[in-house]
Amino acid sequence: GAVVSQHPSRVICKSGTSVKIECRSLDFQATTMFWYRQFPKQSLMLMATSNEGSKATYEQGVEKDKFLINHASLTLSTLTVTSAHPEDSSFYICSARPGQGGTQYFGPGTRLLVL
Amino acid sequence: AQSVTQPDIHITVSEGASLELRCNYSYGATPYLFWYVQSPGQGLQLLLKYFSGDTLVQGIKGFEAEFKRSQSSFNLRKPSVHWSDAAEYFCAVGLPNSGYALNFGKGTSLLVTP
Repeated sequence: GAVVSQHPSRVICKSGTSVKIECRSLDFQATTMFWYRQFPKQSLMLMATSNEGSKATYEQGVEKDKFLINHASLTLSTLTVTSAHPEDSSFYICSARPGQGGTQYFGPGTRLLVL
Repeated sequence: AQSVTQPDIHITVSEGASLELRCNYSYGATPYLFWYVQSPGQGLQLLLKYFSGDTLVQGIKGFEAEFKRSQSSFNLRKPSVHWSDAAEYFCAVGLPNSGYALNFGKGTSLLVTP
Protein backbone atom coordinates (compact mmCIF):
# COMPACT_ATOMS: atom_id res chain seq x y z
CA GLY A 1 0.00 0.00 0.00
CA ALA A 2 0.83 3.73 -0.02
CA VAL A 3 2.13 3.94 -3.56
CA VAL A 4 2.82 7.23 -5.27
CA SER A 5 3.46 7.44 -8.99
CA GLN A 6 4.93 10.19 -11.12
CA HIS A 7 4.67 10.74 -14.81
CA PRO A 8 6.73 11.14 -16.83
CA SER A 9 9.81 9.55 -15.30
CA ARG A 10 12.04 11.66 -17.49
CA VAL A 11 11.49 14.43 -19.98
CA ILE A 12 13.68 16.42 -22.31
CA CYS A 13 12.36 19.70 -23.62
CA LYS A 14 13.53 22.78 -25.44
CA SER A 15 14.16 26.01 -23.62
CA GLY A 16 11.02 28.15 -23.46
CA THR A 17 8.53 25.31 -23.45
CA SER A 18 6.34 24.22 -20.57
CA VAL A 19 6.41 20.81 -18.96
CA LYS A 20 3.75 19.21 -16.79
CA ILE A 21 4.58 16.55 -14.22
CA GLU A 22 1.85 14.46 -12.62
CA CYS A 23 1.90 12.99 -9.14
CA ARG A 24 -0.71 10.42 -8.17
CA SER A 25 -1.45 8.56 -4.96
CA LEU A 26 -2.58 5.18 -6.22
CA ASP A 27 -4.13 3.55 -3.18
CA PHE A 28 -4.90 6.32 -0.75
CA GLN A 29 -6.30 9.80 -0.66
CA ALA A 30 -3.73 12.50 -0.10
CA THR A 31 -4.94 15.59 1.65
CA THR A 32 -1.52 17.12 1.23
CA MET A 33 1.09 16.71 -1.45
CA PHE A 34 4.58 18.12 -1.53
CA TRP A 35 6.96 18.95 -4.34
CA TYR A 36 10.70 18.73 -3.86
CA ARG A 37 13.62 19.48 -6.11
CA GLN A 38 16.94 17.71 -6.03
CA PHE A 39 20.07 18.82 -7.83
CA PRO A 40 22.74 16.22 -8.65
CA LYS A 41 24.43 14.84 -5.57
CA GLN A 42 22.50 17.22 -3.33
CA SER A 43 19.67 16.94 -0.89
CA LEU A 44 15.98 17.46 -1.49
CA MET A 45 14.65 20.97 -1.15
CA LEU A 46 10.99 21.61 -0.53
CA MET A 47 9.44 23.72 -3.26
CA ALA A 48 5.82 23.86 -2.24
CA THR A 49 3.04 22.29 -0.26
CA SER A 50 -0.34 21.75 -1.86
CA ASN A 51 -3.62 20.92 -0.23
CA GLU A 52 -6.51 19.62 -2.26
CA GLY A 53 -8.77 22.38 -3.43
CA SER A 54 -6.63 25.26 -2.25
CA LYS A 55 -3.68 27.26 -3.48
CA ALA A 56 -0.23 25.87 -2.98
CA THR A 57 2.12 27.34 -0.41
CA TYR A 58 5.51 28.04 -1.92
CA GLU A 59 8.82 28.11 -0.10
CA GLN A 60 10.85 31.26 -0.08
CA GLY A 61 12.72 31.73 -3.32
CA VAL A 62 10.45 29.49 -5.39
CA GLU A 63 8.68 31.40 -8.16
CA LYS A 64 5.01 30.53 -8.04
CA ASP A 65 4.42 31.86 -11.55
CA LYS A 66 7.12 29.62 -12.91
CA PHE A 67 6.24 26.46 -10.99
CA LEU A 68 2.48 26.12 -11.20
CA ILE A 69 0.99 23.58 -8.85
CA ASN A 70 -2.53 22.23 -9.09
CA HIS A 71 -3.97 19.80 -6.56
CA ALA A 72 -7.31 19.20 -8.22
CA SER A 73 -8.25 16.00 -6.46
CA LEU A 74 -7.29 13.92 -3.47
CA THR A 75 -5.18 11.66 -5.66
CA LEU A 76 -3.61 14.00 -8.18
CA SER A 77 -1.27 16.96 -8.06
CA THR A 78 0.49 18.48 -11.03
CA LEU A 79 3.58 20.63 -11.30
CA THR A 80 3.96 22.68 -14.46
CA VAL A 81 7.33 24.23 -15.17
CA THR A 82 6.50 27.18 -17.38
CA SER A 83 8.94 28.60 -19.91
CA ALA A 84 11.57 26.14 -18.83
CA HIS A 85 15.23 27.08 -19.00
CA PRO A 86 18.38 24.98 -18.65
CA GLU A 87 18.75 26.01 -15.01
CA ASP A 88 15.41 24.31 -14.31
CA SER A 89 16.94 20.97 -15.19
CA SER A 90 16.69 18.90 -12.07
CA PHE A 91 15.12 15.88 -10.40
CA TYR A 92 11.61 16.68 -9.22
CA ILE A 93 10.09 14.44 -6.57
CA CYS A 94 6.61 14.57 -5.18
CA SER A 95 5.27 13.08 -2.00
CA ALA A 96 1.81 12.54 -0.62
CA ARG A 97 0.52 12.49 2.91
CA PRO A 98 -2.64 10.58 3.75
CA GLY A 99 -4.99 12.04 6.29
CA GLN A 100 -3.59 13.72 9.36
CA GLY A 101 -0.60 11.48 9.90
CA GLY A 102 2.97 12.66 9.63
CA THR A 103 4.28 10.12 7.15
CA GLN A 104 4.85 11.04 3.52
CA TYR A 105 5.19 8.60 0.68
CA PHE A 106 7.43 9.57 -2.18
CA GLY A 107 7.07 9.15 -5.88
CA PRO A 108 9.95 7.81 -7.98
CA GLY A 109 10.82 11.27 -9.30
CA THR A 110 10.91 12.98 -12.68
CA ARG A 111 14.17 13.92 -14.28
CA LEU A 112 13.82 17.09 -16.33
CA LEU A 113 16.43 18.14 -18.85
CA VAL A 114 15.98 21.48 -20.58
CA LEU A 115 18.10 22.03 -23.64
CA ALA B 1 17.90 28.30 13.12
CA GLN B 2 16.13 25.06 12.39
CA SER B 3 18.44 22.58 10.77
CA VAL B 4 19.22 18.96 10.13
CA THR B 5 22.85 17.92 10.08
CA GLN B 6 24.37 14.77 8.71
CA PRO B 7 28.05 15.21 9.53
CA ASP B 8 29.34 12.46 7.29
CA ILE B 9 29.14 13.09 3.56
CA HIS B 10 30.64 9.72 2.64
CA ILE B 11 31.05 6.52 4.62
CA THR B 12 32.74 3.34 3.48
CA VAL B 13 32.21 0.06 5.31
CA SER B 14 33.07 -3.52 4.56
CA GLU B 15 30.30 -5.95 3.85
CA GLY B 16 29.26 -7.60 7.07
CA ALA B 17 30.51 -4.77 9.24
CA SER B 18 28.28 -2.65 11.41
CA LEU B 19 27.06 0.77 10.35
CA GLU B 20 26.08 3.95 12.10
CA LEU B 21 24.95 7.07 10.27
CA ARG B 22 24.68 10.22 12.30
CA CYS B 23 21.91 12.78 12.31
CA ASN B 24 21.50 15.80 14.53
CA TYR B 25 18.71 18.31 14.49
CA SER B 26 18.15 21.76 15.83
CA TYR B 27 14.52 22.55 16.51
CA GLY B 28 12.68 24.16 19.36
CA ALA B 29 10.52 21.13 19.94
CA THR B 30 11.00 17.48 19.16
CA PRO B 31 10.12 17.10 15.52
CA TYR B 32 9.00 14.00 13.75
CA LEU B 33 12.11 12.19 12.58
CA PHE B 34 12.66 10.05 9.52
CA TRP B 35 15.34 8.15 7.70
CA TYR B 36 15.03 7.62 3.96
CA VAL B 37 17.20 5.74 1.50
CA GLN B 38 17.68 6.68 -2.14
CA SER B 39 19.26 4.48 -4.74
CA PRO B 40 20.84 6.17 -7.79
CA GLY B 41 18.24 7.90 -9.93
CA GLN B 42 15.40 6.69 -7.74
CA GLY B 43 12.89 8.19 -5.38
CA LEU B 44 13.01 7.81 -1.64
CA GLN B 45 12.11 4.81 0.43
CA LEU B 46 11.16 5.23 4.07
CA LEU B 47 13.38 3.16 6.36
CA LEU B 48 11.88 4.16 9.68
CA LYS B 49 10.33 7.00 11.62
CA TYR B 50 10.00 8.33 15.13
CA PHE B 51 7.02 10.26 16.37
CA SER B 52 6.92 9.43 20.08
CA GLY B 53 7.21 6.56 22.52
CA ASP B 54 9.99 4.01 22.49
CA THR B 55 13.16 5.80 21.51
CA LEU B 56 14.59 2.78 19.71
CA VAL B 57 12.71 2.23 16.49
CA GLN B 58 12.97 -0.67 14.13
CA GLY B 59 12.70 -0.23 10.41
CA ILE B 60 12.87 -2.20 7.23
CA LYS B 61 15.91 -4.01 5.85
CA GLY B 62 17.32 -4.58 9.33
CA PHE B 63 17.83 -0.91 10.16
CA GLU B 64 17.14 0.68 13.51
CA ALA B 65 17.51 4.18 14.90
CA GLU B 66 17.69 5.62 18.35
CA PHE B 67 16.27 8.98 19.34
CA LYS B 68 18.30 10.74 22.00
CA ARG B 69 16.64 13.91 23.16
CA SER B 70 19.58 15.08 25.22
CA GLN B 71 21.83 14.94 22.17
CA SER B 72 19.22 16.01 19.62
CA SER B 73 20.25 13.00 17.62
CA PHE B 74 18.58 10.27 15.63
CA ASN B 75 21.33 7.97 14.45
CA LEU B 76 20.70 5.10 12.07
CA ARG B 77 22.31 1.72 12.67
CA LYS B 78 22.59 -1.67 11.10
CA PRO B 79 24.53 -4.53 12.67
CA SER B 80 25.70 -6.13 9.43
CA VAL B 81 25.79 -4.28 6.14
CA HIS B 82 25.02 -5.94 2.83
CA TRP B 83 26.37 -4.79 -0.54
CA SER B 84 22.83 -3.87 -1.56
CA ASP B 85 22.76 -1.24 1.20
CA ALA B 86 25.04 1.01 -0.84
CA ALA B 87 22.96 4.12 -1.45
CA GLU B 88 22.33 7.66 -0.29
CA TYR B 89 20.76 8.02 3.13
CA PHE B 90 18.80 11.06 4.19
CA CYS B 91 17.69 12.08 7.64
CA ALA B 92 14.64 14.32 7.66
CA VAL B 93 12.50 16.15 10.17
CA GLY B 94 8.93 17.33 9.93
CA LEU B 95 6.84 19.60 12.09
CA PRO B 96 3.08 19.37 12.52
CA ASN B 97 2.69 23.12 12.18
CA SER B 98 4.19 22.99 8.70
CA GLY B 99 1.95 20.18 7.54
CA TYR B 100 4.84 17.79 8.11
CA ALA B 101 6.78 19.19 5.17
CA LEU B 102 10.21 17.64 5.45
CA ASN B 103 13.51 19.34 5.97
CA PHE B 104 16.26 17.04 4.78
CA GLY B 105 19.84 16.71 5.80
CA LYS B 106 22.43 16.81 3.07
CA GLY B 107 22.67 13.06 2.97
CA THR B 108 25.33 10.44 3.57
CA SER B 109 26.60 8.35 0.71
CA LEU B 110 27.31 4.78 1.77
CA LEU B 111 29.83 2.66 -0.10
CA VAL B 112 30.08 -1.02 0.76
CA THR B 113 33.31 -2.81 -0.07
CA PRO B 114 33.71 -6.57 -0.46
